[in-house]
Amino acid sequence: QKEVEQDPGPLSVPEGAIVSLNCTYSNSAFQYFMWYRQYSRKGPELLMYTYSSGNKEDGRFTAQVDKSSKYISLFIRDSQPSDSATYLCAMSTNTGNQFYFGTGTSLTVIP
Amino acid sequence: NAGVTQTPKFQVLKTGQSMTLQCAQDMNHEYMSWYRQDPGMGLRLIHYSVGAGITDQGEVPNGYNVSRSTTEDFPLRLLSAAPSQTSVYFCASRTSAGPYEQYFGPGTRLTVT
Repeated sequence: QKEVEQDPGPLSVPEGAIVSLNCTYSNSAFQYFMWYRQYSRKGPELLMYTYSSGNKEDGRFTAQVDKSSKYISLFIRDSQPSDSATYLCAMSTNTGNQFYFGTGTSLTVIP
Repeated sequence: NAGVTQTPKFQVLKTGQSMTLQCAQDMNHEYMSWYRQDPGMGLRLIHYSVGAGITDQGEVPNGYNVSRSTTEDFPLRLLSAAPSQTSVYFCASRTSAGPYEQYFGPGTRLTVT
């Protein structure tokens, strides 16, 4: 079983829609949870991070972590064409020495 | 502040050739790492370093060597390239303490024929 599972999509939504991206994981020792955005042929860029359980909001983006279900989510409100990218979830234990990534979900926002 | 830089951007190797992928960062991060990204496999950790002189293996270390002589540089060496090493390689560095903000370079696209 892979450490982190993520639906690859692709996901296609109209501009202005709410987007929900999700990952599940198996290692209960994970404490740091991150979401990266990767545009085509570019390196991943950190969008948001959360420590342990709970929610975190940053503008149009909200990250949620449910450690009891081993499930994390990223919500994008009022989606824009510029949000079209691949979104990767990533997780780490407290040491932060090894990060485990999901395979990424490809998102297209149609104008 | 250039962040994380990688060279070359593209490389084509023949099976059995060796090469070094260069990575440098100017953020004074102690932790640096190398990943490969393959379709359907996501990013997988090859090697990482928690400081100069200290390296350790990640999830897929076979066929790769690393060393860390300075805080700024973390080169990745392919000793004898194989077609299975065709991939996009990313170098990253992160802050020393949580929440471990990790920054990636632009990547090196490697093809082994």
